[in-house]
Amino acid sequence: DGGITQSPKYLFRKEGQNVTLSCEQNLNHDAMYWYRQDPGQGLRLIYYSQIVNDFQKGDIAEGYSVSREKKESFPLTVTSAQKNPTAFYLCASIESRTEKLFFGSGTQLSVL
Amino acid sequence: GQSLEQPSEVTAVEGAIVQINCTYQTSGFYGLSWYQQHDGGAPTFLSYNALDGLEETGRFSSFLSRSDSYGYLLLQELQMKDSASYFCALPGGDDKIIFGKGTRLHILP
Repeated sequence: DGGITQSPKYLFRKEGQNVTLSCEQNLNHDAMYWYRQDPGQGLRLIYYSQIVNDFQKGDIAEGYSVSREKKESFPLTVTSAQKNPTAFYLCASIESRTEKLFFGSGTQLSVL
Repeated sequence: GQSLEQPSEVTAVEGAIVQINCTYQTSGFYGLSWYQQHDGGAPTFLSYNALDGLEETGRFSSFLSRSDSYGYLLLQELQMKDSASYFCALPGGDDKIIFGKGTRLHILP
């Protein structure tokens, strides 16, 4: 089945630690996205990538980094500079023809 | 920049019809989308309006008025399983997609 796979489902970060969230898609979509969702809130855009080896900052990119070395993969690193990382992180890709976003099942990140 | 406004909560009765409004600001318009998200789950796509008018998909319809920078999602024959959060989203010309803060729909039996 085609889709977006995010891992892990739950992740815990220690003080001063960098952690990486995985996102893989087999939908052959060009553009991919990372969103952050806080309880009871909307989705805020962290980074997005329109094509391999290129990515753009979203509205809340500070404290995060990404890479796009392969079309299928768009990992997100939450760095120690992100002082409030506890949130639900969602990865998505878009079907350009329909403007339809396909989401992964998300990663819940918490701080120890 | 881009921004979207939608009510934070709406309550309706099972079997009834409910409308969730969304107003937006954008420098360039590329359509308005709607997503549904159940608690603990990922958002799922409901509809996309590129042009003015009504788009119907089963019990759900979405309307757009570009002159008013306004759209709405209409849910008919409400079922308890429709209890969820609903988000409007604004695609940008550079593939940037921004979401509203979401409307929590409560359905009473």
